[in-house]
Amino acid sequence: GQNIDQPTEMTATEGAIVQINCTYQTSGFNGLFWYQQHAGEAPTFLSYNVLDGLEEKGRFSSFLSRSKGYSYLLLKELQMKDSASYLCAALDSNYQLIWGAGTKLIIKP
Amino acid sequence: DAGVIQSPRHEVTEMGQEVTLRCKPISGHDYLFWYRQTMMRGLELLIYFNNNVPIDDSGMPEDRFSAKMPNASFSTLKIQPSEPRDSAVYFCASSLGGTGQVIQPQHFGDGTRLSIL
Repeated sequence: GQNIDQPTEMTATEGAIVQINCTYQTSGFNGLFWYQQHAGEAPTFLSYNVLDGLEEKGRFSSFLSRSKGYSYLLLKELQMKDSASYLCAALDSNYQLIWGAGTKLIIKP
Repeated sequence: DAGVIQSPRHEVTEMGQEVTLRCKPISGHDYLFWYRQTMMRGLELLIYFNNNVPIDDSGMPEDRFSAKMPNASFSTLKIQPSEPRDSAVYFCASSLGGTGQVIQPQHFGDGTRLSIL
């Protein structure tokens, strides 16, 4: 079956760095997305990786290892506004998105 | 540019009533997706359209749910009759089609928070 695993909840301190991991098992693979979702709001696109390696976008970076079925989202210089859920989603061979349950990130002062 | 527009933002109705949710995708996007999100089950794909044609409705829970896309700028999701277990946030999303190395992200509307009493 197809499956996405990510931690349910993580806590980090303002100004610090946090890494949110995601492992996936899909029928074929056409890339991995990360979305951010603030409470009561819609998911918003953060990043897309299809090749192995690290993609950096400002304070956020996303990494992919296709051979390991693994990705992570790295958030640097954490701000209170980064408190949100982070959703990992893999694109399978039919270009269907398989969504993880999301990781709730709590930022403490 | 206008994003995906959903209406209503909130809906509270009694069990057994018909509920219609509406979505206007981003202009030019050829894919439209309907999702349901709950604490217990997370984000679930209900159905998606390509060029107004339903491609996969395997996520539609049961016959009480139906979706239409009469034109490129409008889609509806209907629940009839509604039940308390249908209470959830329903999101509509749209994207540009892409294959190979060019994959476009889905853009979500603000959602409809549905409560069935």
